[in-house]
Amino acid sequence: NAGVTQTPKFQVLKTGQSMTLQCAQDMNHNSMYWYRQDPGMGLRLIYYSASEGTTDKGEVPNGYNVSRLNKREFSLRLESAAPSQTSVYFCASTLDRNTEAFFGQGTRLTVV
Amino acid sequence: QQQVKQSPQSLIVQKGGISIINCAYENTAFDYFPWYQQFPGKGPALLIAIRPDVSEKKEGRFTISFNKSAKQFSLHIMDSQPGDSATYFCAASKAGTASKLTFGTGTRLQVTL
Repeated sequence: NAGVTQTPKFQVLKTGQSMTLQCAQDMNHNSMYWYRQDPGMGLRLIYYSASEGTTDKGEVPNGYNVSRLNKREFSLRLESAAPSQTSVYFCASTLDRNTEAFFGQGTRLTVV
Repeated sequence: QQQVKQSPQSLIVQKGGISIINCAYENTAFDYFPWYQQFPGKGPALLIAIRPDVSEKKEGRFTISFNKSAKQFSLHIMDSQPGDSATYFCAASKAGTASKLTFGTGTRLQVTL
């Protein structure tokens, strides 16, 4: 099983450019999440989707938008990238509340 | 605000020794406390998790100790091995429709020969 698949794995953007990070899971999970990981700060929740058709803000949503395209796919969009958005982004999914979260391999994004 | 505080930031343990990582939380609504292990270039993976109705959970060489009154929990790795060298994150989540995890800042563990 592929689990949680993220694309791309690496990306360099110029300030002001836009891009969409893609995430897909094949475990029939209900909930999906986007986290960012920065040195010394752990992982912080950007947005999540508790179920297909719903999305909600997490701890650090500013500068991002999300779309739950269907049960499998959850995308994260940066409309106008800023250097502060340089980070490693992880998508995750869970079957139900307080169950194991499965993470993708991450997308390393650099904004110059 | 940092709702889950983790220490130490880094840890060096000899092979065969015990590794101990501590976390403290503030929000008494948290009811699920997992530990994640992350290797370089990979996503975090669940190692072990506990709920507040028990004070200890053991899986192989890994044990979580939980102190509800002190709002603290810790990970003990017995007989630490070089393959355990990784970054460990504690986390917590509370009741709701999704598992929104609040993570600690991570501990980089190095197990030496």
